[in-house]
Amino acid sequence: DQQVKQNSPSLSVQEGRISILNCDYTNSMFDYFLWYKKYPAEGPTFLISISSIKDKNEDGRFTVFLNKSAKHLSLHIVPSQPGDSAVYFCAASGGGTSYGKLTFGQGTILTVHP
Amino acid sequence: EAGVAQSPRYKIIEKRQSVAFWCNPISGHATLYWYQQILGQGPKLLIQFQNNGVVDDSQLPKDRFSAERLKGVDSTLKIQPAKLEDSAVYLCASSLGVVNEQYFGPGTRLTVT
Repeated sequence: DQQVKQNSPSLSVQEGRISILNCDYTNSMFDYFLWYKKYPAEGPTFLISISSIKDKNEDGRFTVFLNKSAKHLSLHIVPSQPGDSAVYFCAASGGGTSYGKLTFGQGTILTVHP
Repeated sequence: EAGVAQSPRYKIIEKRQSVAFWCNPISGHATLYWYQQILGQGPKLLIQFQNNGVVDDSQLPKDRFSAERLKGVDSTLKIQPAKLEDSAVYLCASSLGVVNEQYFGPGTRLTVT
């Protein structure tokens, strides 16, 4: 039972353009969402988060949007840079599980071409 | 600030052998997590500690996996006996508390042959 899904295994974008990574969830009790970035041979690194009481959160080039009615969140990266090339995971917490437990999506490989 | 440390980084064992992984969290972080990441999938939580007590181990295969966190600091995760399907990256993460962001170590890549 995959409660958090990232349906695009990969995304290729030109440097300077916008990257949009998508994530869907099924558990309506999730109340906190996070995006992590992962480089090869390293652990995931926290990028940005959003609480379910908000619909948007910005941090520099990164913006996360949350649509609770559609159970959908997205990460926008503007402008995209080659150093952004990595695997991006969305994660969710809450939902009646132990607090702090993260449920991850499968990940999307982002490649930003110079 | 030193990050989450894990060792070894790589391990190759034969099925039915045992293996142990070690994790040293960020100093002062009360919550520690062990995740299993199978190739092509996202990390899956195996066990969560709050100080040295277990908060959640619902997805830990307890017939072969065990974990402990003595004195609320370092932690070890053990697999005995290993199966082929245990081949994965084992990630340790820590956070100040359960509501804070989790910081991940580099992981241990386990190959079971």
